Amino acid sequence: DAGVIQSPRHEVTEMGQEVTLRCKPISGHDYLFWYRQTMMRGLELLIYFNNNVPIDDSGMPEDRFSAKMPNASFSTLKIQPSEPRDSAVYFCASRPDRGVTYTGELFFGEGSRLTVL
Amino acid sequence: QKEVEQNSGPLSVPEGAIASLNCTYSDRVSQSFFWYRQYSGKSPELIMSIYSNGDKEDGRFTAQLNKASQYVSLLIRDSQPSDSATYLCLREYGNKLVFGAGTILRVKS
Repeated sequence: DAGVIQSPRHEVTEMGQEVTLRCKPISGHDYLFWYRQTMMRGLELLIYFNNNVPIDDSGMPEDRFSAKMPNASFSTLKIQPSEPRDSAVYFCASRPDRGVTYTGELFFGEGSRLTVL
Repeated sequence: QKEVEQNSGPLSVPEGAIASLNCTYSDRVSQSFFWYRQYSGKSPELIMSIYSNGDKEDGRFTAQLNKASQYVSLLIRDSQPSDSATYLCLREYGNKLVFGAGTILRVKS
């Protein structure tokens, strides 16, 4: 079974450009999380979805950031316009809802490394 | 105020020693805890989960949770150089999942 798939793996862009990061969660997982990781701030929760509905976006740093989940198999995180301080690794993670096989484990993608010049 | 606090380290231990990693949190809302390991350039991977007070053992790893004192710890026995990584404490309350900053562990051979 394929894991969480993120694209692109690496993105280098110039300040002011729009950046779109993509995530395909594991099939059947009801929850999807977007995290950002930097040396200074560690892993920060940006937003999470349950059944495609955004539940908590209090971690989204500012209006330049937006996230969508149009269906159960796809989510995007968009930054417009991008700034150098947005440079980080962005992780997408998914997990199933509570049930017989629930372990609480978060399944991570390999991350998208963003560099804004 | 950060919801989950960890000492960033680095914590250095000799090979074969016990490594002790700690995490504190800021309120008493009922929750679950997870320990993740992250190698440089890789994504985090789950080591252990703990939901109730007390100890939970899995091989060389023991997780300890003390809700009254609001801390959770991870002990690694017989530390190996391959254990060198960043260890992240993850706190769950409701469906919100918040990581600590992580502790860098270095095991010297």
